[in-house]
Amino acid sequence: AQKVTQAQTEISVVEKEDVTLDCVYETRDTTYYLFWYKQPPSGELVFLIRRNSFDEQNEISGRYSWNFQKSTSSFNFTITASQVVDSAVYFCALSELSYNTDKLIFGTGTRLQVFP
Amino acid sequence: GAGVSQSPRYKVAKRGQDVALRCDPISGHVSLFWYQQALGQGPEFLTYFQNEAQLDKSGLPSDRFFAERPEGSVSTLKIQRTQQEDSAVYLCASSPRVWEDNEQFFGPGTRLTVL
Repeated sequence: AQKVTQAQTEISVVEKEDVTLDCVYETRDTTYYLFWYKQPPSGELVFLIRRNSFDEQNEISGRYSWNFQKSTSSFNFTITASQVVDSAVYFCALSELSYNTDKLIFGTGTRLQVFP
Repeated sequence: GAGVSQSPRYKVAKRGQDVALRCDPISGHVSLFWYQQALGQGPEFLTYFQNEAQLDKSGLPSDRFFAERPEGSVSTLKIQRTQQEDSAVYLCASSPRVWEDNEQFFGPGTRLTVL
């Protein structure tokens, strides 16, 4: 069955620290997409990244980077030099190839608090 | 351009009342999704439309939940005879196409409180 696990419920760091958010997924499909979304206190989910199952290259976007490893079914997210504005709940999600839906299966989220 | 909008943003209902939640997707987006997010949890899938066709309603928790998208644009999620366990944030998302452009853009949600 499809499942996304974010074992870290809450992480607190001081500004400028690096922080890694873990995501482990389960799927029977060989073709799938993985996503990260940010949910700030305002509540609106903000899309951060999409990665398909055939592309294991790591990606960097500014202070954000993602490490996709199929061998361990993980898609971890690192924020370098964290800032207070990074405080939010971060969700990892999985979407499988299906003829009738692209639904997202979300993890339970990791709440990140960055203190000044 | 405008993002996904939802109305109302907040809804309080007495148990047993019917409610209707509206979603305006990004113009031209083919796919539309509804999710339910309980407090402290990740969003959970309810139903999916491709244009006006409801292709997946496997996540609807009971027959009290009904969704429609009659013209392939605006969608309404209706909950009949609301129960306290229906209290949650209801999120709508749209995406341009299936697969290649399948990142979903979310609205601000409707927070439903059933008393």
